Amino acid sequence: EPEVTQTPSHQVTQMGQEVILRCVPISNHLYFYWYRQILGQKVEFLVSFYNNEISEKSEIFDDQFSVERPDGSNFTLKIRSTKLEDSAMYFCASSRGGEAFFGQGTRLTVV
Amino acid sequence: AQKVTQAQTEISVVEKEDVTLDCVYETRDTTYYLFWYKQPPSGELVFLIRRNSFDEQNEISGRYSWNFQKSTSSFNFTITASQVVDSAVYFCALSEAGRNQGGKLIFGQGTELSVKP
Repeated sequence: EPEVTQTPSHQVTQMGQEVILRCVPISNHLYFYWYRQILGQKVEFLVSFYNNEISEKSEIFDDQFSVERPDGSNFTLKIRSTKLEDSAMYFCASSRGGEAFFGQGTRLTVV
Repeated sequence: AQKVTQAQTEISVVEKEDVTLDCVYETRDTTYYLFWYKQPPSGELVFLIRRNSFDEQNEISGRYSWNFQKSTSSFNFTITASQVVDSAVYFCALSEAGRNQGGKLIFGQGTELSVKP
């Protein structure tokens, strides 16, 4: 069964460092998303991406964040200069226009 | 603004009990979608159901059933004869309709269900 794949599963980084979280969406999906879940809290929308551009973003998705679909299969989230409060589980999701299917998540720990 | 409220933070039941997880939503859209996702202890988000705002029929899938009532803006989820494997956090979510019908999900806070043997 096709699934959304995220790597790495866990990343530890020093404050101020850049991180790139990687995702391989389901191959025939057209819409791609990143969500964030701070430990013990609800899942929050960050950004949606369609037709090679951002279609919507939340107020969380500030200038420190960027997304890219570099090669038609990967979908990445970059955080330029990480802060302690960026520590969270980051979920990638994709859809064809119906329900979104989520990856396993990447746990980002900023120390 | 869109909002999803899951008032029950934690529920604990004994195996084989029935349990209902409540979800109340707010939206100004006339067309929207409602979802339930399961987050087991391993952390992934598992899609359970999507319902559009025009379809108020209740749905049953095995031990799971969903009751959508537009009049009270509720989309409740019932697990019949609960099992230990049902232990997880359950999220209710809302999205607006349009070309991106499953995207930009607004999640509730989640209900942590613990099913004890």
